[in-house]
Amino acid sequence: EAGVTQSPTHLIKTRGQQVTLRCSPISGHTSVYWYQQALGLGLQFLLWYDEGEERNRGNFPPRFSGRQFPNYSSELNVNALELEDSALYLCASNLLAGGPRTDTQYFGPGTRLTVL
Amino acid sequence: KNQVEQSPQSLIILEGKNCTLQCNYTVSPFSNLRWYKQDTGRGPVSLTIMTFSENTKSNGRYTATLDADTKQSSLHITASQLSDSASYICVVSALGGNNDMRFGAGTRLTVKP
Repeated sequence: EAGVTQSPTHLIKTRGQQVTLRCSPISGHTSVYWYQQALGLGLQFLLWYDEGEERNRGNFPPRFSGRQFPNYSSELNVNALELEDSALYLCASNLLAGGPRTDTQYFGPGTRLTVL
Repeated sequence: KNQVEQSPQSLIILEGKNCTLQCNYTVSPFSNLRWYKQDTGRGPVSLTIMTFSENTKSNGRYTATLDADTKQSSLHITASQLSDSASYICVVSALGGNNDMRFGAGTRLTVKP
């Protein structure tokens, strides 16, 4: 069974540009989560999508947005990039129907974004 | 203030030794606590998940404990191996429909030969 996949693996952008990151969840998972992990810092929650709807949002400005498609894959869009957006962006998926005992999130390998 | 505090921030041990990582939290109401292992540049991988009624959970050489009264958890690694070198992240979920999770900053473990 394939795990969570993300693309691209690495990305270099300049300030002010826009970027789109992609995530494909594990087959059968309906929830997708996005996290930002800046170098040396902990994971920061960005967005949670389930069944195509945005369910929760972390403390990030509106230039961070995303969507989930009918096949449960997801995109994260970041507009007007700033230097501090340089980070590893991680996507995770799970199936909520299993309840809290089985809602372990499975993470993808991440996309390393560098903003120059 | 982060609702999940991990200690130590970093740790260096010799191969074959045991170690214990700590996680204190203030997240409430509590739903579950998870420990993840994250290799450098990779996504985290789940090690254990515990709910309120569980006070210990093992996964091979990893044993997690939970004291819901004192809001403390520990991750004990037995007979460490070089491949245990990674960051270990404690994640606490709150009850509720928002799937609210709080991440600790992690403990960076280095196992040396």
